[in-house]
Amino acid sequence: DAGVIQSPRHEVTEMGQEVTLRCKPISGHDYLFWYRQTMMRGLELLIYFNNNVPIDDSGMPEDRFSAKMPNASFSTLKIQPSEPRDSAVYFCASSIAGDTQYFGPGTRLTVL
Amino acid sequence: QKEVEQDPGPLSVPEGAIVSLNCTYSNSAFQYFMWYRQYSRKGPELLMYTYSSGNKEDGRFTAQVDKSSKYISLFIRDSQPSDSATYLCAMIEDDYKLSFGAGTTVTVRA
Repeated sequence: DAGVIQSPRHEVTEMGQEVTLRCKPISGHDYLFWYRQTMMRGLELLIYFNNNVPIDDSGMPEDRFSAKMPNASFSTLKIQPSEPRDSAVYFCASSIAGDTQYFGPGTRLTVL
Repeated sequence: QKEVEQDPGPLSVPEGAIVSLNCTYSNSAFQYFMWYRQYSRKGPELLMYTYSSGNKEDGRFTAQVDKSSKYISLFIRDSQPSDSATYLCAMIEDDYKLSFGAGTTVTVRA
């Protein structure tokens, strides 16, 4: 199995631009999680899905952030408009039972 | 106060030494306890997973959970340079929302 796949691996954009991060979970996993990692705040859960349905989005920082999961093999995290404070590494993780989560390699986002 | 407290280190030890890492937590509803290892510029990978008080051993790694003290530990025996990484403790209630510690950066010197 290829593991969790994320794209792009690096993204550099200017303030105000729309950013879309993509994730392909491990086949057969029914839970998908989006995390953000920064030096100041560590790893934070943003949102998670079960069977493509958003279950808890209480970690989404602002309305500028949105996430979708149109099918079992694809999810997106969108930031519109982006701000410099959104610079972080964004991880996607998937799991079968929700507890043992397998992380992707992350997308390193820099907003100038 | 954060729900999960972990000393960020850094921790530097000579090869072959025992590495001792720990976390404390305040939420008594946490039921499952994990340790993740994260190499530089990589995603976290699950190292150990426990759900009850006591010890769990896997090769050179031992995880300990003391629910009465709200304290968990990870020990790495015979540490190797390849163990150099950031180790994150993580905990979960029954809602699948992982709460992570800040991570401890470990360097094992050859």
